[in-house]
Amino acid sequence: AQSVTQLDSQVPVFEEAPVELRCNYSSSVSVYLFWYVQYPNQGLQLLLKYLSGSTLVKGINGFEAEFNKSQTSFHLRKPSVHISDTAEYFCAVSERAGSYQLTFGKGTKLSVIP
Amino acid sequence: NAGVMQNPRHLVRRRGQEARLRCSPMKGHSHVYWYRQLPEEGLKFMVYLQKENIIDESGMPKERFSAEFPKEGPSILRIQQVVRGDSAAYFCASSPAGGEYGYTFGSGTRLTVV
Repeated sequence: AQSVTQLDSQVPVFEEAPVELRCNYSSSVSVYLFWYVQYPNQGLQLLLKYLSGSTLVKGINGFEAEFNKSQTSFHLRKPSVHISDTAEYFCAVSERAGSYQLTFGKGTKLSVIP
Repeated sequence: NAGVMQNPRHLVRRRGQEARLRCSPMKGHSHVYWYRQLPEEGLKFMVYLQKENIIDESGMPKERFSAEFPKEGPSILRIQQVVRGDSAAYFCASSPAGGEYGYTFGSGTRLTVV
C-alpha cells in the first residue's frame, strides 16, 4: 500500500513570487506520480505527471515538478505565481504494473495575494 | 469533444432518501472510476467499472452504496437511505485503458444530506 503526505495544508504567497508545494510519498513498489489542481467548485485537472525518464517534469500553466527517488518526493514549483493560480493542489501516486487506483494527499490550498 | 460529464452538479437529499449520481465518460473511454472527497480530505477511491462489469469495489462502503455501468447509458452511483455522513463531493473519472497513467475527472456532484 502507498501513502501521500502533503506537508502544508495552506500556502499563502504574494503575486509574482515563486512557490513550492511539497509532496512526499511512501510505497514498497515503483510508482507513477501526479499533480492535480482543483479550482473552487470544479473537478480535478491534471497539471503534470511523472511516468519515467527525466526527473524534471513540466506541466501546464508554467508548473514543473521534480521526482527525487532517494527522498521519495515530488515537489511542485512555479517561478512566478499569478492570482489565477489560487486553487487547491493534490499530489497523487499509483503503483506501476497496472494499478488503476490513485492515492491522493489531503491537498494544499494555494492563496495568491495581490 | 466533451469531457467527463457528471450530473447533477449539486444534489440535496433528506436523510433516508436515495441519491443517484450519473457519469458519462469521455468519448472512447470504457473505464470509469468513482472517488469520494470528504471535507478537508483528499479523494478516496470507491469503485472501478468497465461496461457491464465491476472490476474493483474495494473502496465502497459495504451497505447502501452500489454502482453500475450498463452497456448503454451513463455509469450510476446509487446511495440508498442516505445519512448526514454521506455528504461529500463525488467525482467520476474515465480512461481509455487501465488508468495507471492517470485519468480525466469530471466536475463532481456535491451531495448534501439534510
